[in-house]
Parts: sequence; C-alpha cells; structure tokens
Amino acid sequence: AQKITQTQPGMFVQEKEAVTLDCTYDTSDPSYGLFWYKQPSSGEMIFLIYQGSYDQQNATEGRYSLNFQKARKSANLVISASQLGDSAMYFCAMRVPQNNAGNMLTFGGGTRLMVKP
Amino acid sequence: EPEVTQTPSHQVTQMGQEVILRCVPISNHLYFYWYRQILGQKVEFLVSFYNNEISEKSEIFDDQFSVERPDGSNFTLKIRSTKLEDSAMYFCASSPDRDMNTEAFFGQGTRLTVV
Repeated sequence: AQKITQTQPGMFVQEKEAVTLDCTYDTSDPSYGLFWYKQPSSGEMIFLIYQGSYDQQNATEGRYSLNFQKARKSANLVISASQLGDSAMYFCAMRVPQNNAGNMLTFGGGTRLMVKP
Repeated sequence: EPEVTQTPSHQVTQMGQEVILRCVPISNHLYFYWYRQILGQKVEFLVSFYNNEISEKSEIFDDQFSVERPDGSNFTLKIRSTKLEDSAMYFCASSPDRDMNTEAFFGQGTRLTVV
C-alpha cells in the first residue's frame, strides 16, 4: 500500500520569501509519480508540478520546484518569492501503476500555507 | 483551455435521499475518477472508470455508490440513500492516458451537504 505524509498542518511565510512544504512517501513499487496540487479557498484542485521516480533532475515549474530525495523518500515543494495568492492548501500525491486503473492518486493530509504581507 | 466541469457546485439533500453528481470530463480523455474530501481531511480516491467500466475502487466505494457514463460525455456519481457522513466535497477528474507523468485534471468540485 502507498502512503503519503505531510507533517506540517500549517505554515506561515513572509511575502517574497521562499518556503518549503514537506512530503514523505512510502511505496514498494520502483515506478511511481509524485504530484503537488494547490487548493485555494474556492475549493478547486490545481496541478502544480510532477516528479517521476526515474527522473534524474528535480522538477521545476516557474516559482515551484521539487526537492526530490529518492533515498529518503521525500519530495518537498519549494515555492520561491511567495505571493499573497499562494495562500492555500497544498497536497502532495503519489501515483503507482495499477493494472488498468489509470493510476489513481493517493493524497497526503495537506499543508495550509499562509503568506503574510 | 479545456477543463473538467462539475454540476451542481453545491447540493443539499435530506438523509436517505438519492443524489446524482454530474461531471463532464475533458473530451479526449479516457480515464475518469471520483475523489472525496470530507471537510478538513485529505482527498480520498473513490473509483476509476475506463472503457465503460469500473477499473479500480476503494473500500469507501460500497454498494451505496455507482458510476455511469450515460451518453459519452457525462460521467455521473450516484449515491443512494445518503447518510450524514456522505457530506463532503466530491471531485471528478480525468486524464488522457495512464502514463505515470500525466496529471489528473480536476473539476471544481461539488459540495454535498446531507441534512
């Protein structure tokens, strides 16, 4: 079974500073994908960034980067130059191959990020 | 940009009633999903659907739940005889393939309140 753990229920960051949101995972499958989603107060789930288990380099997407440490089974999200609009819930999720299932996602409990002006 | 749309955005129902939550996935996507998020908790997988049949379901997805793709564009989740604990945000998602690096595109969710 897969498990995703986000140990920070809530975090504050000063506007324009960088912040790291932690995510650790557990799976015995050598092939997996790690995703981060943002959920603003309006409720929708917005895809941010993806990291594959065989990717050699850390993923980056604009201000988002993923600090992938495979041996430690961690996939922390780094947001640089925080903006007020970054205030939201952030979910780490993992996907492993599941026959014909289309690869369902297993989510962590989320971290609520609050950006202070 | 194509998106997954869900209706209604908010549904209030009496305990014991049946509800149908509707979703229109992105048109060229082949895999469809329902997820549930009880207020303040993590997002939980309910079911995946491919080639007009359920391909995977969680233990949450019991006989109370059913899914259907009635007309090639809509994807519905039916909850029979709703219970108070069914109150949650229900997300529909779709993906074009089952490649590991393909993200699931989520709808904006339907907030179901059972009273």
